Amino acid sequence: EAGVAQSPRYKIIEKRQSVAFWCNPISGHATLYWYQQILGQGPKLLIQFQNNGVVDDSQLPKDRFSAERLKGVDSTLKIQPAKLEDSAVYLCASSRGLATLSSYNEQFFGPGTRLTVL
Amino acid sequence: QQQVKQSPQSLIVQKGGISIINCAYENTAFDYFPWYQQFPGKGPALLIAIRPDVSEKKEGRFTISFNKSAKQFSLHIMDSQPGDSATYFCAASLAYSSASKIIFGSGTRLSIRP
Repeated sequence: EAGVAQSPRYKIIEKRQSVAFWCNPISGHATLYWYQQILGQGPKLLIQFQNNGVVDDSQLPKDRFSAERLKGVDSTLKIQPAKLEDSAVYLCASSRGLATLSSYNEQFFGPGTRLTVL
Repeated sequence: QQQVKQSPQSLIVQKGGISIINCAYENTAFDYFPWYQQFPGKGPALLIAIRPDVSEKKEGRFTISFNKSAKQFSLHIMDSQPGDSATYFCAASLAYSSASKIIFGSGTRLSIRP
């Protein structure tokens, strides 16, 4: 099956500009996640969708970040205006649903978008 | 309470040796403990996962050892190979309502010397 697709792969912008990232999850996966991975750190969850509803956005800086998942499939993450500290790799992941006693609910990650804010 | 602490930050192992990465957690509500492997320019990929009621899980050269009472778990890579050079993240999964989320450790950059 095709993996999680993300675009663009790289983006360079100046501070105070806006930027948008796109994600297409694995077909049939109900849950979609956006993570921020700062260089040298583990991924940090920004927002989680179950179908087209938001399940968790507690760590999303809502004054500048927004995300939507249209029709429960593709998703976009937007930053407006960008700050220097937003330089990071933005990862999108998807999964089928909940873990069970016999199997872990694996998250499948895309290759990420590397954002550089100058 | 939802943190996962990982050590060491970096590790150099000779080819054929054993690589060991350690993690600790606080929240007893976590229901799975996965390990992810990440190569440069790629997203993380699941390596192996364990439930907290299992003390050890082995898949090929990769073994998770889990100590529930100490709230610690570790990844052992036997017969380490240059192709294992990557960044490894331990994580903890938390189920809630109709979804689950994972909290990642800070990562260990592993280098296997030929």
